[in-house]
Amino acid sequence: DAGITQSPRHKVTETGTPVTLRCHQTENHRYMYWYRQDPGHGLRLIHYSYGVKDTDKGEVSDGYSVSRSKTEDFLLTLESATSSQTSVYFCAISDNLRGQETQYFGPGTRLLVL
Amino acid sequence: DAKTTQPTSMDCAEGRAANLPCNHSTISGNEYVYWYRQIHSQGPQYIIHGLKNNETNEMASLIITEDRKSSTLILPHATLRDTAVYYCIVIKDPRGSSNTGKLIFGQGTTLQVKP
Repeated sequence: DAGITQSPRHKVTETGTPVTLRCHQTENHRYMYWYRQDPGHGLRLIHYSYGVKDTDKGEVSDGYSVSRSKTEDFLLTLESATSSQTSVYFCAISDNLRGQETQYFGPGTRLLVL
Repeated sequence: DAKTTQPTSMDCAEGRAANLPCNHSTISGNEYVYWYRQIHSQGPQYIIHGLKNNETNEMASLIITEDRKSSTLILPHATLRDTAVYYCIVIKDPRGSSNTGKLIFGQGTTLQVKP
Protein backbone atom coordinates (compact mmCIF):
# COMPACT_ATOMS: atom_id res chain seq x y z
CA ASP A 1 0.00 0.00 0.00
CA ALA A 2 3.09 2.24 -0.31
CA GLY A 3 2.76 3.42 3.30
CA ILE A 4 0.22 6.17 2.63
CA THR A 5 -2.27 7.32 5.22
CA GLN A 6 -4.82 10.08 5.02
CA SER A 7 -6.52 11.95 7.84
CA PRO A 8 -9.25 12.46 8.61
CA ARG A 9 -10.97 9.66 6.71
CA HIS A 10 -14.34 11.37 6.99
CA LYS A 11 -15.25 14.97 7.69
CA VAL A 12 -18.41 17.03 7.75
CA THR A 13 -18.02 20.78 7.80
CA GLU A 14 -19.99 23.92 7.09
CA THR A 15 -19.68 26.32 4.20
CA GLY A 16 -17.10 29.01 4.85
CA THR A 17 -15.00 27.11 7.34
CA PRO A 18 -11.36 26.20 6.70
CA VAL A 19 -10.48 22.54 6.30
CA THR A 20 -7.10 20.85 6.17
CA LEU A 21 -6.56 17.31 4.95
CA ARG A 22 -3.34 15.49 5.68
CA CYS A 23 -1.47 12.93 3.61
CA HIS A 24 1.36 11.09 5.31
CA GLN A 25 3.87 8.72 3.73
CA THR A 26 6.55 6.66 5.38
CA GLU A 27 8.84 5.80 2.45
CA ASN A 28 10.52 9.11 1.59
CA HIS A 29 8.93 9.51 -1.85
CA ARG A 30 9.68 12.75 -3.58
CA TYR A 31 6.43 13.20 -5.52
CA MET A 32 3.05 13.53 -3.83
CA TYR A 33 -0.34 14.39 -5.31
CA TRP A 34 -3.84 15.42 -4.31
CA TYR A 35 -6.82 14.34 -6.44
CA ARG A 36 -10.53 14.69 -6.04
CA GLN A 37 -13.08 12.21 -7.32
CA ASP A 38 -16.63 13.10 -8.22
CA PRO A 39 -19.35 11.16 -10.04
CA GLY A 40 -19.09 11.74 -13.78
CA HIS A 41 -15.63 13.32 -13.55
CA GLY A 42 -13.28 10.55 -12.54
CA LEU A 43 -10.14 11.60 -10.67
CA ARG A 44 -8.90 15.14 -11.21
CA LEU A 45 -5.54 16.47 -10.08
CA ILE A 46 -5.69 19.38 -7.63
CA HIS A 47 -2.04 20.01 -6.72
CA TYR A 48 1.16 18.08 -6.63
CA SER A 49 4.55 18.37 -4.97
CA TYR A 50 7.96 17.41 -6.28
CA GLY A 51 9.84 18.06 -3.07
CA VAL A 52 9.83 19.93 0.22
CA LYS A 53 8.34 23.38 -0.40
CA ASP A 54 8.06 22.60 -4.13
CA THR A 55 4.46 22.45 -5.31
CA ASP A 56 2.50 23.13 -8.45
CA LYS A 57 -1.11 23.38 -9.58
CA GLY A 58 -3.15 20.69 -11.22
CA GLU A 59 -6.26 21.05 -13.35
CA VAL A 60 -8.70 21.95 -10.53
CA SER A 61 -6.62 24.00 -8.10
CA ASP A 62 -8.98 26.96 -7.55
CA GLY A 63 -10.09 27.16 -3.92
CA TYR A 64 -7.29 24.88 -2.70
CA SER A 65 -3.82 25.46 -1.34
CA VAL A 66 -1.13 22.98 -0.35
CA SER A 67 1.96 22.87 1.77
CA ARG A 68 4.84 20.49 2.16
CA SER A 69 7.20 21.47 4.94
CA LYS A 70 8.66 17.98 5.29
CA THR A 71 8.99 15.02 2.96
CA GLU A 72 6.46 12.80 4.69
CA ASP A 73 3.51 15.20 4.89
CA PHE A 74 1.49 16.90 2.14
CA LEU A 75 -1.35 19.07 3.37
CA LEU A 76 -4.38 20.18 1.36
CA THR A 77 -6.26 23.22 2.66
CA LEU A 78 -9.64 24.51 1.69
CA GLU A 79 -9.43 28.10 2.91
CA SER A 80 -13.19 28.60 2.90
CA ALA A 81 -15.04 25.41 2.09
CA THR A 82 -17.92 25.49 -0.40
CA SER A 83 -20.53 22.86 -1.19
CA SER A 84 -18.90 22.28 -4.57
CA GLN A 85 -15.87 20.93 -2.70
CA THR A 86 -17.87 18.03 -1.32
CA SER A 87 -15.95 15.12 -2.74
CA VAL A 88 -13.67 12.21 -2.04
CA TYR A 89 -10.05 13.29 -1.85
CA PHE A 90 -7.19 10.95 -2.65
CA CYS A 91 -3.55 11.42 -1.99
CA ALA A 92 -0.96 9.61 -4.09
CA ILE A 93 2.78 9.15 -4.18
CA SER A 94 4.98 8.31 -7.13
CA ASP A 95 7.48 5.47 -6.98
CA ASN A 96 9.91 4.15 -9.56
CA LEU A 97 8.71 0.77 -10.83
CA ARG A 98 10.77 -0.88 -13.57
CA GLY A 99 12.14 2.52 -14.52
CA GLN A 100 8.71 4.18 -14.59
CA GLU A 101 7.19 6.61 -12.13
CA THR A 102 4.08 4.79 -10.99
CA GLN A 103 1.48 6.35 -8.74
CA TYR A 104 0.08 4.66 -5.65
CA PHE A 105 -2.98 5.98 -3.86
CA GLY A 106 -4.07 6.40 -0.28
CA PRO A 107 -7.44 5.26 1.13
CA GLY A 108 -9.19 8.59 0.60
CA THR A 109 -10.96 11.24 2.68
CA ARG A 110 -14.69 11.77 2.30
CA LEU A 111 -15.55 15.42 2.78
CA LEU A 112 -19.08 16.76 3.05
CA VAL A 113 -19.56 20.52 3.04
CA LEU A 114 -23.01 21.56 4.23
CA ASP B 1 -1.89 11.65 -23.98
CA ALA B 2 -3.80 9.13 -26.06
CA LYS B 3 -7.48 8.63 -25.39
CA THR B 4 -8.67 5.18 -24.36
CA THR B 5 -11.95 3.40 -24.96
CA GLN B 6 -13.24 0.66 -22.68
CA PRO B 7 -16.56 -1.15 -22.41
CA THR B 8 -18.76 0.29 -19.70
CA SER B 9 -19.36 -2.98 -17.93
CA MET B 10 -18.56 -6.70 -18.01
CA ASP B 11 -19.52 -9.80 -16.07
CA CYS B 12 -17.31 -12.74 -15.25
CA ALA B 13 -17.95 -16.00 -13.45
CA GLU B 14 -15.92 -16.61 -10.32
CA GLY B 15 -12.88 -18.77 -11.04
CA ARG B 16 -12.87 -17.97 -14.72
CA ALA B 17 -10.49 -15.62 -16.51
CA ALA B 18 -11.61 -12.03 -16.88
CA ASN B 19 -10.44 -10.38 -20.08
CA LEU B 20 -10.81 -6.60 -20.10
CA PRO B 21 -10.18 -4.87 -23.43
CA CYS B 22 -8.94 -1.36 -24.06
CA ASN B 23 -8.58 0.51 -27.33
CA HIS B 24 -5.92 3.18 -27.63
CA SER B 25 -5.64 3.63 -31.38
CA THR B 26 -3.88 7.02 -31.16
CA ILE B 27 -1.11 5.82 -28.87
CA SER B 28 2.32 7.12 -29.73
CA GLY B 29 5.67 5.40 -29.49
CA ASN B 30 6.69 6.74 -26.10
CA GLU B 31 3.37 6.15 -24.35
CA TYR B 32 2.85 3.43 -21.80
CA VAL B 33 -0.32 1.51 -21.04
CA TYR B 34 -1.22 1.45 -17.34
CA TRP B 35 -4.05 -0.39 -15.62
CA TYR B 36 -5.54 0.59 -12.30
CA ARG B 37 -8.62 -0.61 -10.52
CA GLN B 38 -10.84 0.90 -7.88
CA ILE B 39 -12.80 -1.25 -5.52
CA HIS B 40 -15.82 0.47 -4.07
CA SER B 41 -14.94 3.22 -1.58
CA GLN B 42 -11.20 2.56 -1.84
CA GLY B 43 -8.34 4.40 -3.51
CA PRO B 44 -7.25 3.38 -7.01
CA GLN B 45 -4.89 0.41 -7.01
CA TYR B 46 -2.06 -0.02 -9.49
CA ILE B 47 -2.24 -3.33 -11.35
CA ILE B 48 0.27 -3.44 -14.17
CA HIS B 49 1.84 -1.42 -16.97
CA GLY B 50 3.67 -2.03 -20.22
CA LEU B 51 5.11 -0.42 -23.34
CA LYS B 52 5.36 -3.04 -26.08
CA ASN B 53 5.88 -6.43 -24.58
CA ASN B 54 3.35 -8.50 -22.75
CA GLU B 55 3.73 -8.28 -18.98
CA THR B 56 2.73 -10.49 -16.10
CA ASN B 57 2.82 -9.97 -12.37
CA GLU B 58 1.17 -11.54 -9.35
CA MET B 59 -2.11 -9.77 -10.04
CA ALA B 60 -2.63 -9.93 -13.79
CA SER B 61 -1.28 -10.20 -17.31
CA LEU B 62 -1.21 -7.43 -19.87
CA ILE B 63 -1.37 -8.30 -23.54
CA ILE B 64 -0.52 -5.49 -25.95
CA THR B 65 -1.15 -5.97 -29.66
CA GLU B 66 1.77 -5.70 -32.03
CA ASP B 67 0.54 -2.37 -33.41
CA ARG B 68 -0.06 -1.21 -29.82
CA LYS B 69 -3.50 0.11 -30.67
CA SER B 70 -5.22 -2.08 -28.13
CA SER B 71 -4.52 -4.12 -25.05
CA THR B 72 -6.19 -6.66 -22.80
CA LEU B 73 -5.90 -7.01 -19.07
CA ILE B 74 -6.30 -10.61 -17.96
CA LEU B 75 -7.22 -11.67 -14.44
CA PRO B 76 -6.54 -15.40 -14.72
CA HIS B 77 -8.86 -16.65 -11.97
CA ALA B 78 -11.32 -13.95 -11.02
CA THR B 79 -12.66 -13.86 -7.47
CA LEU B 80 -15.51 -11.90 -5.94
CA ARG B 81 -12.92 -9.48 -4.54
CA ASP B 82 -11.94 -8.54 -8.09
CA THR B 83 -15.28 -6.79 -8.56
CA ALA B 84 -14.21 -3.20 -9.26
CA VAL B 85 -13.92 -0.46 -11.85
CA TYR B 86 -10.90 -1.06 -14.08
CA TYR B 87 -9.15 1.86 -15.72
CA CYS B 88 -6.90 1.71 -18.75
CA ILE B 89 -4.65 4.77 -18.96
CA VAL B 90 -2.14 5.76 -21.58
CA ILE B 91 0.61 8.06 -20.45
CA LYS B 92 3.89 9.32 -21.80
CA ASP B 93 7.00 8.30 -19.99
CA PRO B 94 6.09 10.05 -16.74
CA ARG B 95 9.67 10.90 -15.85
CA GLY B 96 10.07 14.61 -16.14
CA SER B 97 8.12 17.31 -14.38
CA SER B 98 6.00 18.18 -17.40
CA ASN B 99 4.33 14.81 -17.22
CA THR B 100 4.02 14.62 -13.48
CA GLY B 101 0.55 13.78 -12.28
CA LYS B 102 -0.88 13.41 -15.74
CA LEU B 103 -2.94 10.35 -14.91
CA ILE B 104 -6.29 10.82 -16.61
CA PHE B 105 -8.91 8.40 -15.38
CA GLY B 106 -11.82 7.91 -17.76
CA GLN B 107 -15.00 6.06 -16.89
CA GLY B 108 -13.38 2.63 -16.91
CA THR B 109 -14.99 -0.80 -17.07
CA THR B 110 -17.11 -2.00 -14.18
CA LEU B 111 -16.29 -5.69 -13.74
CA GLN B 112 -18.82 -7.72 -11.82
CA VAL B 113 -17.57 -11.13 -10.74
CA LYS B 114 -20.48 -13.43 -10.05
CA PRO B 115 -20.59 -16.63 -7.97
